[in-house]
Amino acid sequence: DAGITQSPRHKVTETGTPVTLRCHQTENHRYMYWYRQDPGHGLRLIHYSYGVKDTDKGEVSDGYSVSRSKTEDFLLTLESATSSQTSVYFCAATALGTANYGYTFGSGTRLTVV
Amino acid sequence: KQEVTQIPAALSVPEGENLVLNCSFTDSAIYNLQWFRQDPGKGLTSLLLIQSSQREQTSGRLNASLDKSSGRSTLYIAASQPGDSATYLCAVEDAGGTSYGKLTFGQGTILTVHP
Repeated sequence: DAGITQSPRHKVTETGTPVTLRCHQTENHRYMYWYRQDPGHGLRLIHYSYGVKDTDKGEVSDGYSVSRSKTEDFLLTLESATSSQTSVYFCAATALGTANYGYTFGSGTRLTVV
Repeated sequence: KQEVTQIPAALSVPEGENLVLNCSFTDSAIYNLQWFRQDPGKGLTSLLLIQSSQREQTSGRLNASLDKSSGRSTLYIAASQPGDSATYLCAVEDAGGTSYGKLTFGQGTILTVHP
């Protein structure tokens, strides 16, 4: 199914190690997002991008950085993983500004920090 | 800061029932409101998007309404089926300043439709 591919799907990492999650889209959308989903909190925005090399912080950006060197790829890096970053991470993209734009979400990356 | 609340947190109904899921938001200055469906272990699937100037949107057995001034939306599911079992999420895109399509989500309603 074309759209958004997230990798890896599952990852276990140790506290203090850097981790990079990848999001790849085939829809050529300008806007991309990283959210995390936790019980009791719903989905919360980490970072977003409004074009190549154009990114900004979301609600819960501490401890995370992002990069977007190509339209199709949006990377999320946990600089030094902590147990509080154990979560399910979702990438999304949208053709914001077009008629009846919708959002496409990836299937998520389940990250466990031990 | 926008806050989105969904009631009930969970709902279990027999097949065939019509049901209503509720969503409320604290700041009425929004561009749109969206309803998503999430199956276990999966990503989100967009169901309906209601622009702030609209009152409702329909897709098949789904109808979503928006009362922006009161900060409320409802998702109506007609003739529910076991395949409708999923978590339903409501999200708003705030207005004010440049829109970057950022969404604020509710915590979702877990729907179970039993045969």
